[in-house]
Amino acid sequence: DIQMTQSPSSLSASVGDRVTITCRASQSISSYLNWYQQKPGKAPKLLIYAASSLLSGVPSRFSGSASGTDFTLTISSLQPEDFATYYCQQSYSSPLTFGGGTKVEIK
Amino acid sequence: QVQLQESGPGLVKPSQTLSLTCTVSGGSISTGSYSWSWIRQPAGKGLEWIGRIYTSGSTNYNPSLKSRVTISADTSKNQFSLRLSSVTAADTAVYYCASRITIFEDAFDIWGQGTMVTVSS
Repeated sequence: DIQMTQSPSSLSASVGDRVTITCRASQSISSYLNWYQQKPGKAPKLLIYAASSLLSGVPSRFSGSASGTDFTLTISSLQPEDFATYYCQQSYSSPLTFGGGTKVEIK
Repeated sequence: QVQLQESGPGLVKPSQTLSLTCTVSGGSISTGSYSWSWIRQPAGKGLEWIGRIYTSGSTNYNPSLKSRVTISADTSKNQFSLRLSSVTAADTAVYYCASRITIFEDAFDIWGQGTMVTVSS
């Protein structure tokens, strides 16, 4: 199985901050990397697919990038509604696997 | 607009079989090149992909659960289902059905709201 390691596991930030979350794959997954946002009691929502493609309707302050087996989700200016847990997920090979999550909390 | 809705018992006894159904509305599970997945999340923990069924009817399971999992589809009811046998407390989780609808790439852009399943006697 491909292991997805997210860092940090949690972070505290203020509204307006630039936030970066990293996900590292245990082997090459090309650009088969997706990012989700999950709020308490709700299903995850897809933000970014194929490493850097923004899903229609997702605010442009969210962006994704890739460098080798390292992937980054960036929120350019954190908004109150962005406080949530973020997960990466690889779709390169089965079984599909998720990172452990990054909880973004209010500072 | 395609929507997914999970349904099934919220309480299952240990060693029994967990059965859940995902009803698809606003679209057909038998058209296109989609796949339909089950994903679960224990309380306070991360997401685990269980497996999926393709529109062709073929299936793909997580090896960690493969010996206990069956995913099937009923095209007449526009539903797909999960059966997980010999459950233990470790199978207690919120179970989601999910798929991709609006994009070509393999990602989950549509989810059900999730259903909580507790394994307990």
